[in-house]
Amino acid sequence: SAVISQKPSRDICQRGTSLTIQCQVDSQVTMMFWYRQQPGQSLTLIATANQGSEATYESGFVIDKFPISRPNLTFSTLTVSNMSPEDSSIYLCSVGDRGSEKLFFGSGTQLSVL
Amino acid sequence: AQKITQTQPGMFVQEKEAVTLDCTYDTSDPSYGLFWYKQPSSGEMIFLIYQGSYDQQNATEGRYSLNFQKARKSANLVISASQLGDSAMYFCAMSANDYKLSFGAGTTVTVRA
Repeated sequence: SAVISQKPSRDICQRGTSLTIQCQVDSQVTMMFWYRQQPGQSLTLIATANQGSEATYESGFVIDKFPISRPNLTFSTLTVSNMSPEDSSIYLCSVGDRGSEKLFFGSGTQLSVL
Repeated sequence: AQKITQTQPGMFVQEKEAVTLDCTYDTSDPSYGLFWYKQPSSGEMIFLIYQGSYDQQNATEGRYSLNFQKARKSANLVISASQLGDSAMYFCAMSANDYKLSFGAGTTVTVRA
């Protein structure tokens, strides 16, 4: 399976600031996704990170709040913009490849907003 | 739309015994995949096992097996010979051909010595 590095692993941020989370894979992958897990909840898909084009957002998530980049097939970033305490969550990237059914996750970023 | 239901919020199991975690699903897609993930307190999501909707045999991965009953739309996870390190949250998830995962609410497993 691919090795997925996610940084930072955790951060404490002030209200109104932004944080960029990185997801690096050790091999080229077709699919990259970003998920959010609010405290005590299950995971919710934020968006699909598309290589070389704008991300595809799920209902309830917008580009201005969660801008995503994917410059190549091994790297993506998620920015949480203008943060509020409600953004305190675990953010996880997920990768998959056509031809393989399995989907793997990075180690997650635990974000606390004060 | 896909829906995953996990009805067991928490379970206790004695070390070395087996435990079954329930998962039912609903989808109109003819082709789909079912997944189980383990989330320890550290927060990472660890892939455990995968079952394709057209797979004839139940999936197994070491101590993990998936009891797939397509007609009943259930995909229960069986953990055999439980270990203390198995204490974690377990999520059932499914994906259609778009690779997007829909998750259940999760089940907390606590293994007792």
